[in-house]
Amino acid sequence: EDKVVQSPLSLVVHEGDTVTLNCSYEVTNFRSLLWYKQEKKAPTFLFMLTSSGIEKKSGRLSSILDKKELSSILNITATQTGDSAIYLCAAVGSNYKLTFGKGTLLTVNP
Amino acid sequence: DGGITQSPKYLFRKEGQNVTLSCEQNLNHDAMYWYRQDPGQGLRLIYYSQIVNDFQKGDIAEGYSVSREKKESFPLTVTSAQKNPTAFYLCASSSRGEGRYNEQFFGPGTRLTVL
Repeated sequence: EDKVVQSPLSLVVHEGDTVTLNCSYEVTNFRSLLWYKQEKKAPTFLFMLTSSGIEKKSGRLSSILDKKELSSILNITATQTGDSAIYLCAAVGSNYKLTFGKGTLLTVNP
Repeated sequence: DGGITQSPKYLFRKEGQNVTLSCEQNLNHDAMYWYRQDPGQGLRLIYYSQIVNDFQKGDIAEGYSVSREKKESFPLTVTSAQKNPTAFYLCASSSRGEGRYNEQFFGPGTRLTVL
């Protein structure tokens, strides 16, 4: 059975802190790993990672995949209150099916 | 504007009733998906469809049914057989083809409450 585990499940930081969110996966016929941000309703796409060791960056957010360790991290530097959200990790496997982790609830306090 | 719409936004149902959730997309995507989200559980796949007139069960299909008669539409019926239907339901779609297939776009969701 495909499985994705995220840690921590919740995290509270102060504005300006740097955070690292973790995602590990066990997926048959792994194709790629996706990160989403979910604030109130629909998750919004952040990154798609297919190659190991290549960092993807968007502003203060960055992510990298380690296929040897079957894991990925999402970094957020200089956090802002607007970064408060649930961050979801999903692994794409057989039949292009996504398996999601439970998410990390990030709270950034002013 | 291109996107995915879901209706209704909120839905209340009495126990024993079937209810259908609507999902429409005008992104010209071939693949569509239904997920259920419960607090602390992340998203779990109910059904998905890679092409019109074809669909497959996801991880938690029991008590649900779908149809895919048109490319734009993928309605989900929550039947009375679903033991715990109160949840937030998300519909998503994606293109086919290597690389593009992976990024799923989500609708705004329907919150179903069974009274």
